[in-house]
Amino acid sequence: GAGVSQSPSNKVTEKGKDVELRCDPISGHTALYWYRQRLGQGLEFLIYFQGNSAPDKSGLPSDRFSAERTGESVSTLTIQRTQQEDSAVYLCASSQQRYNEQFFGPGTRLTVL
Amino acid sequence: DQQVKQNSPSLSVQEGRISILNCDYTNSMFDYFLWYKKYPAEGPTFLISISSIKDKNEDGRFTVFLNKSAKHLSLHIVPSQPGDSAVYFCAARAFQGAQKLVFGQGTRLTINP
Repeated sequence: GAGVSQSPSNKVTEKGKDVELRCDPISGHTALYWYRQRLGQGLEFLIYFQGNSAPDKSGLPSDRFSAERTGESVSTLTIQRTQQEDSAVYLCASSQQRYNEQFFGPGTRLTVL
Repeated sequence: DQQVKQNSPSLSVQEGRISILNCDYTNSMFDYFLWYKKYPAEGPTFLISISSIKDKNEDGRFTVFLNKSAKHLSLHIVPSQPGDSAVYFCAARAFQGAQKLVFGQGTRLTINP
């Protein structure tokens, strides 16, 4: 079956521009997570969705970061006025229920010049 | 504050021998631990997990050991195979509260023929 997909796979942008990253979770998975991985670091939690609501946004680094999820499926992570420190691989994961194993997508590599 | 630590950034093991990857944590609220494997340009793949009520879980060549008193877990791979060469992440989750996984920095395992 289809796994978690993310687009684009790579994004290069200029400092100050806005970017939108997309995640398509596994069909039927109600929980969706966004993480990011900076170079040489572990994965850093950003936000968690249960259905279309986001009960935990504690990992969003600043108000330039926002995310939404519609129809209990697709999610978009938006970064406004990108900064060089936003450069990272952004990973999306989904799970069938709240405490189940998380399945990860391949990630979007964001480079801010 | 690094709640999950993998102190060895890299490990090199000969094919056929045992690989032991270590992970330490500080948060006593963590009650579920997971190991993920990551190849370049791919998302992390779930490998094995252990609940805090157990001290060992085995799946084929992979065994995870948990020492709660020491707040330490380890992943044993035996026998090691060239395809095991990847970055391994330890992750932890607290049952109460957030659904997020807290990841270590990862250990790059290289299996030499």
